[in-house]
Amino acid sequence: EADIYQTPRYLVIGTGKKITLECSQTMGHDKMYWYQQDPGMELHLIHYSYGVNSTEKGDLSSESTVSRIRTEHFPLTLESARPSHTSQYLCASIAEQYFGPGTRLTVT
Amino acid sequence: GENVEQHPSTLSVQEGDSAVIKCTYSDSASNYFPWYKQELGKGPQLIIDIRSNVGEKKDQRIAVTLNKTAKHFSLHITETQPEDSAVYFCAASNREGFQKLVFGTGTRLLVSP
Repeated sequence: EADIYQTPRYLVIGTGKKITLECSQTMGHDKMYWYQQDPGMELHLIHYSYGVNSTEKGDLSSESTVSRIRTEHFPLTLESARPSHTSQYLCASIAEQYFGPGTRLTVT
Repeated sequence: GENVEQHPSTLSVQEGDSAVIKCTYSDSASNYFPWYKQELGKGPQLIIDIRSNVGEKKDQRIAVTLNKTAKHFSLHITETQPEDSAVYFCAASNREGFQKLVFGTGTRLLVSP
């Protein structure tokens, strides 16, 4: 069974701070995804990658950026956090068959 | 593009009853339909999936049915237990076309003892 790790699990941060949400998987999966989940439960795809050096924007516009320098890691960065970024962020791999536990971000 | 609708948004049942969640999709080219269960504080977990060449699939207490003509698919949970309480998501995609998954809006299932 694949393992996907996300850190931190919870983050409370002030407006204007730069943050990076980490996502890593141990199975060598090429396809990885970031979803934003609002309190209404809906899952919105914000970024995806089909392999190293491949990144694409998802269906929901996001001010975050991602990178894929190594197969195992797919970090998401917010250069300047705002209260509107408060949400749950979920990472997934290989056709969304495996989801990480999520990072709950609160920007004050 | 694909659009997936999911109903109901909330569902309350008594322990032992059956629960049914329904989804419809718009793109006739979609051929892969997974279902996810998300418990509180966790990420979604794939619980069952079905491909368009199959009309029904069962795994213990859960089953999924697919009607390609009507473009709808359903999740059936029998003999519900309190631990089945969670948010359930359906999704659809065209795997051959390498299309991304399109998720439904989720159903919050509450099973009361």
